[in-house]
Amino acid sequence: GDQVKQSPSALSLQEGTNSALRCNFSIATTTVQWFLQNPRGSLMNLFYLVPGTKENGRLKSTFNSKESYSTLHIRDAQLEDSGTYFCAADGTGNTRKLIFGLGTTLQVQP
Amino acid sequence: EAAVTQSPRNKVAVTGGKVTLSCNQTNNHNNMYWYRQDTGHGLRLIHYSYGAGSTEKGDIPDGYKASRPSQENFSLILELATPSQTSVYFCASGDWGGGGGQNTLYFGAGTRLSVL
Repeated sequence: GDQVKQSPSALSLQEGTNSALRCNFSIATTTVQWFLQNPRGSLMNLFYLVPGTKENGRLKSTFNSKESYSTLHIRDAQLEDSGTYFCAADGTGNTRKLIFGLGTTLQVQP
Repeated sequence: EAAVTQSPRNKVAVTGGKVTLSCNQTNNHNNMYWYRQDTGHGLRLIHYSYGAGSTEKGDIPDGYKASRPSQENFSLILELATPSQTSVYFCASGDWGGGGGQNTLYFGAGTRLSVL
């Protein structure tokens, strides 16, 4: 968790609002991945990023390799967005092995 | 969508017993991984594999062995289970995109192991 730090650790949002999750890296990394673990425990990949930005529906993610951080923006939060969001870095430059952060637990309230 | 299937989904074992967790993927991914997830530690890598016949130590390999007999199957073996190995275990697989290096991970549903 020290090499990949996520903030905040927990977050509560009202439905329809926006927020941003952040991942800071203390290691050099060439790619970043974001995952969502839903309340039932299933892990789903959201984004695979090289430096730059990707968007998918209400989610947008940016990876800034020069400043060693990544963000995940959630727009118009919905109840089904609740869960724990993990970012992961390939700190060795070998994308076959990822280092995970400890996660941000998001609860979207009606 | 990649399919990664783990079995069993739940397991209760006794201290000192042998436990085998199985993982099967049907998408011809080269790389497979075993993680454990514990509160306060996130996902930690136990063993991984680049392909059939290969196993590599991850960050916390002690007390675990792995076996990759085929492209599709990757097992995690606890020869002498201990209560500290009580956890949720996730298997994952990923593409290796050659020069591109794309390796999006696809996870199984997890195995909840309790060692009494």
